[in-house]
Amino acid sequence: DIQMTQSPSSLSTSVGDTVNITCRARQYISDRLNWYHQAPGKAPKLLIFAASTLQSGVPSRFSGSGSGTYFTLTISSLQPEDFATYYCQQSYTTPYTFGQGTILEIK
Amino acid sequence: QVHLQESGPGLVKPSETLSLTCSVSGGPVSGYYWSWIRQPPGKGLEWIGYIYYTGSTNYNPSLRSRVSMSVDTSNNKFSLNLSSVTAADTAIYYCARRQRFYSDDAFDTWGQGTLVSVSS
Repeated sequence: DIQMTQSPSSLSTSVGDTVNITCRARQYISDRLNWYHQAPGKAPKLLIFAASTLQSGVPSRFSGSGSGTYFTLTISSLQPEDFATYYCQQSYTTPYTFGQGTILEIK
Repeated sequence: QVHLQESGPGLVKPSETLSLTCSVSGGPVSGYYWSWIRQPPGKGLEWIGYIYYTGSTNYNPSLRSRVSMSVDTSNNKFSLNLSSVTAADTAIYYCARRQRFYSDDAFDTWGQGTLVSVSS
């Protein structure tokens, strides 16, 4: 299995801030990396696929970058609805695997 | 817009089989891969496997010996069976659609999830 490691595990920040969440794959996964947002008590929602392409309807304050083994999710000008848990997921090979999650909390 | 809805028992006894169904509305089951993903309370996400509308499957090796999936294109739904369950199988179970985006695959549509507890 390809292990995915996110950092930080949690982050305390404020509305209007910009944050970066990183995701490292234990082996090469090209750009086969997706990001999801999960609000408390809700199902995950796809934000970004193929490392950097925004899913339809997702605000442009979200962006993704990276390839190979190192990836970053950037959220600019944080809004109240952005305080949630974020997961990366590799689709390079099965079994598909997720990072452990990054909890974004309001400071 | 495609909508997914999980259904099934919320409580299963140890050693028995967990059975869930995902009903798909607003779009066809045909032409897509359909996955099950679970999340133990307060923990991360685990991919269980997927089934193509033709019936071909791909399961997570960690669960392969206990998992089976089926699809019913006539009724636009697909199902999960997980046998010999233990407390470690207690989780929120999500069904999701795997969508092909250029060279990538991602889960673009999810059900709301259903909590299944394993307890006697």
